[in-house]
Amino acid sequence: QKEVEQDPGPLSVPEGAIVSLNCTYSNSAFQYFMWYRQYSRKGPELLMYTYSSGNKEDGRFTAQVDKSSKYISLFIRDSQPSDSATYLCAFLGGGDYKLSFGAGTTVTVRA
Amino acid sequence: GAVVSQHPSRVICKSGTSVKIECRSLDFQATTMFWYRQFPKQSLMLMATSNEGSKATYEQGVEKDKFLINHASLTLSTLTVTSAHPEDSSFYICSARVGTSGGYEQYFGPGTRLTVT
Repeated sequence: QKEVEQDPGPLSVPEGAIVSLNCTYSNSAFQYFMWYRQYSRKGPELLMYTYSSGNKEDGRFTAQVDKSSKYISLFIRDSQPSDSATYLCAFLGGGDYKLSFGAGTTVTVRA
Repeated sequence: GAVVSQHPSRVICKSGTSVKIECRSLDFQATTMFWYRQFPKQSLMLMATSNEGSKATYEQGVEKDKFLINHASLTLSTLTVTSAHPEDSSFYICSARVGTSGGYEQYFGPGTRLTVT
């Protein structure tokens, strides 16, 4: 079993739809949970960062963490074509200095 | 969010030459800097971790004599690809970590595309 599982997609949605992304993890020592957005040929951009269970909102983005189920989600409301990118979940904790990444989900928002 | 810059954004070099890539944290001091490599349609692969003033820690399988890392200050790290070969062609991304009241946040540079001919 991989430490982090993320469906690579691709995921295609119409403009205005809600995009739902998720990752599961097996390492219960993970303490910090992140979502990155990566456009083609660019470095990843930190979108959301949290260290506790529950929801965190930032504009059109909502991150959810359920530590009991080892499951995190990212929701994008009112999706725009500019949201078309690859979204990576990432985890940190347990005394390990390295981020553990998901494989990334490629999202296309159709105009 | 914090800003990490990389220079150059793209470089083409001949086989056998060396290439240096610079990574700077522009508005914060990074406790730790990381260098990643990414192949098309794949996730990021960590190459090495460095702390200011210390030798870099390389991941298994990464040749430390080929990929030289210098972490000169809390805002600057460099990666030198020595005697580059076509198989070293890739997208190299640096990252900087900063401690916050909630733990750590890690920010990435825009990446450097290296093509070795």
